[in-house]
Amino acid sequence: GQNIDQPTEMTATEGAIVQINCTYQTSGFNGLFWYQQHAGEAPTFLSYNVLDGLEEKGRFSSFLSRSKGYSYLLLKELQMKDSASYLCAVSPISGAGSYQLTFGKGTKLSVIP
Amino acid sequence: EADIYQTPRYLVIGTGKKITLECSQTMGHDKMYWYQQDPGMELHLIHYSYGVNSTEKGDLSSESTVSRIRTEHFPLTLESARPSHTSQYLCASSDGGRETQYFGPGTRLLVL
Repeated sequence: GQNIDQPTEMTATEGAIVQINCTYQTSGFNGLFWYQQHAGEAPTFLSYNVLDGLEEKGRFSSFLSRSKGYSYLLLKELQMKDSASYLCAVSPISGAGSYQLTFGKGTKLSVIP
Repeated sequence: EADIYQTPRYLVIGTGKKITLECSQTMGHDKMYWYQQDPGMELHLIHYSYGVNSTEKGDLSSESTVSRIRTEHFPLTLESARPSHTSQYLCASSDGGRETQYFGPGTRLLVL
């Protein structure tokens, strides 16, 4: 099975940098996704990591350490519109049921002026 | 950006009614999914499909049923709606390769 842990809530100031951590325990692992979900809306895809290291995409970066079962999402130059929930999701190893994602409970980020 | 659509966006209905939530995607994705999500809570997978005529139940037990007669269409049906079915229902589909899931806008269901 899969177990995903991420902080429930975080608060950060506009213009600052925030790091949202995600740890996972899984019987098989293929890759890790990060999604953004604004209140009342559907999740939107942010990033995907399959190899160890940092993937940068504009103001957002995502890091993965497979050996440690750890990932983080880094948001730079925070804007008010970044206030949302950030979902960590694990993709299991290839095989039966390999296309199902297991989602964490999400981290609700509040950006304050 | 993904082209995946859900109708209706909002639905208020009385107990005992039969309802069908529609989901369509124009990307030719083989795999499609239904999630249930209560406000501020996590996503729960209730159904998924790997292709035409393939449907499976997800991790969360649900009284709903699904069908997959066409690649682009994955409707979800509740035979007899109850207040406990009040929730947001999200449809998703995934591409080949890394299987990124793209979500529709969701249907907010309120059963009175």
